[in-house]
Amino acid sequence: DVKVTQSSRYLVKRTGEKVFLECVQDMDHENMFWYRQDPGLGLRLIYFSYDVKMKEKGDIPEGYSVSREKKERFSLILESASTNQTSMYLCASSFLGILEQYFGPGTRLTVT
Amino acid sequence: AQTVTQSQPEMSVQEAETVTLSCTYDTSESDYYLFWYKQPPSRQMILVIRQEAYKQQNATENRFSVNFQKAAKSFSLKISDSQLGDAAMYFCAYRSSWMNNAGNMLTFGGGTRLMVKP
Repeated sequence: DVKVTQSSRYLVKRTGEKVFLECVQDMDHENMFWYRQDPGLGLRLIYFSYDVKMKEKGDIPEGYSVSREKKERFSLILESASTNQTSMYLCASSFLGILEQYFGPGTRLTVT
Repeated sequence: AQTVTQSQPEMSVQEAETVTLSCTYDTSESDYYLFWYKQPPSRQMILVIRQEAYKQQNATENRFSVNFQKAAKSFSLKISDSQLGDAAMYFCAYRSSWMNNAGNMLTFGGGTRLMVKP
């Protein structure tokens, strides 16, 4: 079974804090993705990575950065958290050229 | 850019009945893929069914089937014999057929919350 895990299910941070969300997959997938999920807006892609140290911007990269130092791990970084970044964050992974993405359980981030 | 629209924020169905969730999309591409993903209350999203645009035959997976109307850019999901475990958020998603980095990206609709009444 493919397993995608995320470091926290729930996280509460203060405005201006630096926030790290971590995602780990155990299937040697080349591709990893970070999405943000908001009611009525569905999932929107923030960044994705197709290889170690490689990344591409998604639809809403502003205010976020990512890091992929190892193939199995993909981190999402909020350099200075703001209240409008309160959301559910989902990580996903897939093999290169394979259609199906496998999702983690999500991290509910609240910025106060 | 592609867009995906799910016009029904919420739907409800009686157990054992059939329900259809709607999805429309906009694209200028002729070849692409469409998906339905399910997100149960525990939040782990799973793939329900997918359709290749070049295939005329509608995809079917057990109780789940799609009605793919390429000219109308419509991709609805039919759930037959609904079960309590079908209660979830359902997301329609689009993927380009390009086998480059951009082709890895999924574009999602806003989601439909399905409630199943016992």
